[in-house]
Amino acid sequence: NAGVTQTPKFRILKIGQSMTLQCAQDMNHNYMYWYRQDPGMGLKLIYYSVGAGITDKGEVPNGYNVSRSTTEDFPLRLELAAPSQTSVYFCASSSSGDTYEQYFGPGTRLTVT
Amino acid sequence: AQSVAQPEDQVNVAEGNPLTVKCTYSVSGNPYLFWYVQYPNRGLQFLLKYITGDNLVKGSYGFEAEFNKSQTSFHLKKPSALVSDSALYFCAFSGTYKYIFGTGTRLKVLA
Repeated sequence: NAGVTQTPKFRILKIGQSMTLQCAQDMNHNYMYWYRQDPGMGLKLIYYSVGAGITDKGEVPNGYNVSRSTTEDFPLRLELAAPSQTSVYFCASSSSGDTYEQYFGPGTRLTVT
Repeated sequence: AQSVAQPEDQVNVAEGNPLTVKCTYSVSGNPYLFWYVQYPNRGLQFLLKYITGDNLVKGSYGFEAEFNKSQTSFHLKKPSALVSDSALYFCAFSGTYKYIFGTGTRLKVLA
């Protein structure tokens, strides 16, 4: 099992560019999540999905979009990148809802200049 | 609003001494509480969780946590710290499919 994988590991974007952060899991988990981690802060939930075709906003969704066409994949799209989106992005998955632990990917470090 | 708080940004402890990393919560209903650890340049790893039952929960790497309803706390403990325990520790609560994380506590174990 690879667990949760994320690509790319690092990326530098110019202001106004767009990109997609990829996330995949091979554990057949229904629930998937995108977080951002800013220095000195905890993780903030951007979007989450409870199954293929179902997504919902978290605490900080502005400037991002997601889709979930398969159980395995949960890409995060950044449109019109801004310096405020400089952060480390983590994807996570869990088998079910509230009582289950989440499995995290290694993260993508994004810099917008 | 529901939240978890980690009152200490950093905790220093000597190797071999017991360690405690504090977490308090403000949650309506039954709290589902978790501890995660993050090593440098890595994603978070699950340590332990409290769902129901015994107030003392045992987890990975010799860690345990005590759920205290009257003090609304869920402190992480280990009887004897190792240098390799040095990392960033996050408390979180889970509700309605989503986690709320604390701001993290950096643990430094000194040799």
